[in-house]
Amino acid sequence: EAGVAQSPRYKIIEKRQSVAFWCNPISGHATLYWYQQILGQGPKLLIQFQNNGVVDDSQLPKDRFSAERLKGVDSTLKIQPAKLEDSAVYLCASSTLVRIDEQYFGPGTRLTVT
Amino acid sequence: GNSVTQMEGPVTLSEEAFLTINCTYTATGYPSLFWYVQYPGEGLQLLLKATKADDKGSNKGFEATYRKETTSFHLEKGSVQVSDSAVYFCALNRYGQNFVFGPGTRLSVLP
Repeated sequence: EAGVAQSPRYKIIEKRQSVAFWCNPISGHATLYWYQQILGQGPKLLIQFQNNGVVDDSQLPKDRFSAERLKGVDSTLKIQPAKLEDSAVYLCASSTLVRIDEQYFGPGTRLTVT
Repeated sequence: GNSVTQMEGPVTLSEEAFLTINCTYTATGYPSLFWYVQYPGEGLQLLLKATKADDKGSNKGFEATYRKETTSFHLEKGSVQVSDSAVYFCALNRYGQNFVFGPGTRLSVLP
């Protein structure tokens, strides 16, 4: 079974630029999560999708961050414009509807904003 | 709100030493408790979990027991290997709510 795929693995941009991350969850997993992991901290949930609907985006900075999952499969997270404090690893995870306590994580995208 | 506290790292041990990484939590109700491991350059992987008081989760020689009286879920391994070097995250989850992760504890095992 293929795992959660993410791209790119690394990205370096200047502040005020925009960036987009892509995630493809495990086949059949209806629930998809985006986390932000700042160096030295645990992952913090940004947004949770169930199929193509948003379940929770209470911690997403909506003035600059946006995410979509148009067909209920893969997802894109965008930052526009980026700030220095957005430097972090962005993790995507997925789970089935009935086993939301078992999340499978992708390798993450390491973003550096200079 | 819900929160997880872990012992600060890094923890450095010699191969075959005994490992304990402390984890305590604050939560209403009865959360499920988890340990995730993150190897260099990889995403988090579920290591073990326990869903109710006194349950013991175990995997790959690691164990943790859900202690409701002390609100703890300490991770232990009797004999660590170099390949266990990683960052370990304690986490909790209540049904219908989101995961809350601790800050992580980096473990380095020296040959």
